[in-house]
Amino acid sequence: GENVEQHPSTLSVQEGDSAVIKCTYSDSASNYFPWYKQELGKRPQLIIDIRSNVGEKKDQRIAVTLNKTAKHFSLHITETQPEDSAVYFCAAPPSYSSASKIIFGSGTRLSIRP
Amino acid sequence: NAGVTQTPKFRVLKTGQSMTLLCAQDMNHEYMYWYRQDPGMGLRLIHYSVGEGTTAKGEVPDGYNVSRLKKQNFLLGLESAAPSQTSVYFCATLGTSGAANTDTQYFGPGTRLTVL
Repeated sequence: GENVEQHPSTLSVQEGDSAVIKCTYSDSASNYFPWYKQELGKRPQLIIDIRSNVGEKKDQRIAVTLNKTAKHFSLHITETQPEDSAVYFCAAPPSYSSASKIIFGSGTRLSIRP
Repeated sequence: NAGVTQTPKFRVLKTGQSMTLLCAQDMNHEYMYWYRQDPGMGLRLIHYSVGEGTTAKGEVPDGYNVSRLKKQNFLLGLESAAPSQTSVYFCATLGTSGAANTDTQYFGPGTRLTVL
């Protein structure tokens, strides 16, 4: 089955600096890689995703990069702001057509220092 | 359009009691999931369903049962609650966006369960 490893488990950066979170996955059939943000006491919400036919996707201050050969993908947040403080989760669901388990990484608690 | 809703929002049980958590969705999504999230931890998959009448085990299925009698509802049951089942339970659905096929999961607001 799919195994997803996420690093680091905690990350503290100065406001305005960049933050990078990395995930590795095991199932070579995975072709969709989402990132979720969970604020304290709230539900996880999708912030960005990437499909396997592209290597990078950007949305304002956040970006995701994918290396299918090495089976890892990363979340990049630039010019961090206090509202970026949250827990971030990656996931690597297998192909939708095969249906199935969507396993999440263990999460990264990001803290932005003023 | 309510999206994904969960009932109840909070519940306190005594060890050995039973209860059912309800997840309802109005997005016509085929796939539905139950996760648990312990304090400071990630999301662990309990059970999931790929369509009406189907269920399958996730990472941590022991002590839980599920049913998907109707497409829009996914029920999670605890037959004999234990303190180790104290957690926040999230339901999620999976939908595709036409040609985009984004495989996006949508989460419910969560149910906070305490077992004494």
